Amino acid sequence: GDSVTQMEGPVTLSEEAFLTINCTYTATGYPSLFWYVQYPGEGLQLLLKATKADDKGSNKGFEATYRKETTSFHLEKGSVQVSDSAVYFCAQQNTGNQFYFGTGTSLTVIP
Amino acid sequence: DVKVTQSSRYLVKRTGEKVFLECVQDMDHENMFWYRQDPGLGLRLIYFSYDVKMKEKGDIPEGYSVSREKKERFSLILESASTNQTSMYLCASSFVGRGQYFGPGTRLTVT
Repeated sequence: GDSVTQMEGPVTLSEEAFLTINCTYTATGYPSLFWYVQYPGEGLQLLLKATKADDKGSNKGFEATYRKETTSFHLEKGSVQVSDSAVYFCAQQNTGNQFYFGTGTSLTVIP
Repeated sequence: DVKVTQSSRYLVKRTGEKVFLECVQDMDHENMFWYRQDPGLGLRLIYFSYDVKMKEKGDIPEGYSVSREKKERFSLILESASTNQTSMYLCASSFVGRGQYFGPGTRLTVT
């Protein structure tokens, strides 16, 4: 069935380090793909999205490219800040309008 | 900006009580969802609704019911609260292909 798999955390980085959080998906059709961020004690916020192959979603310095050939949607940021510390969720919305979330990756950025 | 609001941020109830969690969205979204989030388990879908007076069971509907009398409002009901329903409850709404928008969450404690 459809699913999303993302790298397990926790991830700890120093400020200004490069971030990659891996995400792969399985789907029968061509889903839309999303990254969400959850700050402590808050709900999930939509960070970025891509709706078709080769689309690049970007927001707040984060980027992810929809790679159909590798069924991946890896999240990247060139220089992380302490304020980026949060839990990041990869998700897909399939052609049947069903959502599937990864289990989340906790990121801690230390000064 | 899409706004999804939940009636309470924190709630403490006793075992056996009937509990109502309210969710309201202001963007005329057709689709609304209730999740619970527990450490190590990620997001689990309880119920969702694609239209007024319509509801579908998610992955873990046992012990819960829902009501959607108006398009903007989706209520989650715990018929008889139990301690294993202590959790963070997240409401979301969406359009097809545009991702879900989440409320801030309700942290429910059942004693």
